[in-house]
Amino acid sequence: NAGVTQTPKFRVLKTGQSMTLLCAQDMNHEYMYWYRQDPGMGLRLIHYSVGEGTTAKGEVPDGYNVSRLKKQNFLLGLESAAPSQTSVYFCASSYGGDTQYFGPGTRLTVL
Amino acid sequence: GQQVMQIPQYQHVQEGEDFTTYCNSSTTLSNIQWYKQRPGGHPVFLIQLVKSGEVKKQKRLTFQFGEAKKNSSLHITATQTTDVGTYFCAENTGGFKTIFGAGTRLFVKA
Repeated sequence: NAGVTQTPKFRVLKTGQSMTLLCAQDMNHEYMYWYRQDPGMGLRLIHYSVGEGTTAKGEVPDGYNVSRLKKQNFLLGLESAAPSQTSVYFCASSYGGDTQYFGPGTRLTVL
Repeated sequence: GQQVMQIPQYQHVQEGEDFTTYCNSSTTLSNIQWYKQRPGGHPVFLIQLVKSGEVKKQKRLTFQFGEAKKNSSLHITATQTTDVGTYFCAENTGGFKTIFGAGTRLFVKA
């Protein structure tokens, strides 16, 4: 099992560009999450999904969109990137909504 | 909103010394989870505590949940260089959401 994988690992964008981060899990988990991690602020929940075809807003959803068309994939989109979105993005999944398994992260820089 | 506060923010120890990080909340916690993140890595789940006064051990790590369920601690005995990283506490709030503390970063000097 690969667990939770994320692509890409690194990305540099210019302000206003768009991109999609892909998260995939092979553990048949129902629940998936997107977090951002900034220095001194821990992990903040952007969006989450409790099953295929469902999404919900987390703590800091503005500027991001998500989709869960397949159970194993959770996509995070930035339509018009801003420097404030420079961060490390982690995807996670869980079976019963408790223990979360994290992916390796995507380091995004917006210039 | 709900918050879990962690102290200290940073801790430098000499290898072999003990280390403790604390997690506090102004409201009663449903549970407390602890995660470890190595430098450059991703958070890894360590343990979950649910019961008032619960104490669990994993080798040199001791996790405690307060009697009032408003605080928790992680204690590492005789730290090793492999213990370096950031330790996060978190509350799983139900609705499949988890609220993380800001973390305590541990530095261990050999």
